[in-house]
Amino acid sequence: DMKVTQMPRYLIKRMGENVLLECGQDMSHETMYWYRQDPGLGLQLIYISYDVDSNSEGDIPKGYRVSRKKREHFSLILDSAKTNQTSVYFCASSLTGGSSYEQYFGPGTRLTVL
Amino acid sequence: SQWGEENLQALSIQEGEDVTMNCSYKTYTTVVQWYRQKSGKGPALIILIRSNEREKRSGRLRATLDTSSQSSSLSITGTLATDTAVYFCATPTSSGQKLVFGQGTILKVYL
Repeated sequence: DMKVTQMPRYLIKRMGENVLLECGQDMSHETMYWYRQDPGLGLQLIYISYDVDSNSEGDIPKGYRVSRKKREHFSLILDSAKTNQTSVYFCASSLTGGSSYEQYFGPGTRLTVL
Repeated sequence: SQWGEENLQALSIQEGEDVTMNCSYKTYTTVVQWYRQKSGKGPALIILIRSNEREKRSGRLRATLDTSSQSSSLSITGTLATDTAVYFCATPTSSGQKLVFGQGTILKVYL
C-alpha cells in the first residue's frame, strides 16, 4: 500500500522550543520533500532529499534543517521555533527517474508556534 | 515563477454543474499534473497530461494542454459535493526532481 505518513498530526509549541516533524514512506522512493503551506500561498518547498544524507535546500530553507538517515524516513527540524513558522507542513516522496514526476503527499502536520 | 501570475481563485457552483479551471505556464514542460487537495489532507494527483497529448480524460475529469499558448485546463463534469477541494496545477523543473505548483483554485460545490 503506497503511503506517506507524518507524525505528529498536530503540534503546539512555544517560541524558542525545538520542533521535530517526522515523515515515513513505504514505497522505497529515493527522493523526499518537505513543504509548508500557508493560506493563499500554495506549497513552498523547504528542503529536498535525493537519498540518505543527500539533502538540498529548497526555496525557503531558512530556519529549518533536515535529516535523512534511512531511505524511508525524513525529518524536519526547527531549532528555536518562531511564531512565523506556524503553518501546515507536508512531506512528499517521488520515484527518481519516473516519467510522471508524481509526488505522493502525507496528510500534513499542523504546527502552531505561540 | 514557472507559472503565470494568477492569484488564488475561488469558484462556488451548484452540484451537477460543470466547471473548468485554467493554468498558464512560462517555461517549456513535458508534463502538466493536476492535484486535488481536500480539507485536512495532502494533495493527490488526479490527472496528468503530457506534451504530446492535447486532451486526457479520466472519469469526470478532462485535462487539456495547449503547448502553443503554454496553458492547461482541468474540467469536471457533473460536479459532486465531494469535488469540493483546492485544485493545483504543477509542472516539473528541467531536472525533473522538483515540481512547481500553481497557486491553486478553491472549488466549492454546494448541494
